[in-house]
Amino acid sequence: RKEVEQDPGPFNVPEGATVAFNCTYSNSASQSFFWYRQDCRKEPKLLMSVYSSGNEDGRFTAQLNRASQYISLLIRDSKLSDSATYLCVVNGGKLIFGQGTELSVKP
Amino acid sequence: EAQVTQNPRYLITVTGKKLTVTCSQNMNHEYMSWYRQDPGLGLRQIYYSMNVEVTDKGDVPEGYKVSRKEKRNFPLILESPSPNQTSLYFCASSSLAESSYEQYFGPGTRLTVT
Repeated sequence: RKEVEQDPGPFNVPEGATVAFNCTYSNSASQSFFWYRQDCRKEPKLLMSVYSSGNEDGRFTAQLNRASQYISLLIRDSKLSDSATYLCVVNGGKLIFGQGTELSVKP
Repeated sequence: EAQVTQNPRYLITVTGKKLTVTCSQNMNHEYMSWYRQDPGLGLRQIYYSMNVEVTDKGDVPEGYKVSRKEKRNFPLILESPSPNQTSLYFCASSSLAESSYEQYFGPGTRLTVT
């Protein structure tokens, strides 16, 4: 089992749609969690940290479920500019990156 | 401007010809790391460094060397490159003092070994 697993997608959605990504992790001692965004073959950039109580940043909502060992990212009202690959990152003593989930938002 | 720089951005080389990819950051970060990214495998850590003269292996260190003689620089060395090292390489840095653990990535180096 991979330490961090994501659905690779691609997710193809129309503009305005709501889309959700899930990510599971195997190390129950993991302490912190993040979502990074990576545009086509460019460097990953931090999108948001994921807190135990859940957190929201505009159209983006991140949630953590420690009991089930998964984190999620919800994007509401998708924009064309949201098209990218979203990487789940888990810190269990070192940062482990998921493979990424590709999102394509169509007009 | 706070940034991580890598050079070269693109490199095509032949098997066995030693090469170095440079990485430099201007944020006074203690932690620096090298990753490779391959389709279907995600980002995998090659080596990391917690501070000057302190380096350690990541998940895929075979065939690579690093050094950390200065805080800002963390070069990646391939003594004898092979075709299976063809990949997209990212250098990253972060501050150990900040709890966010945000890693700042360089723009990437696309390496092809023939």
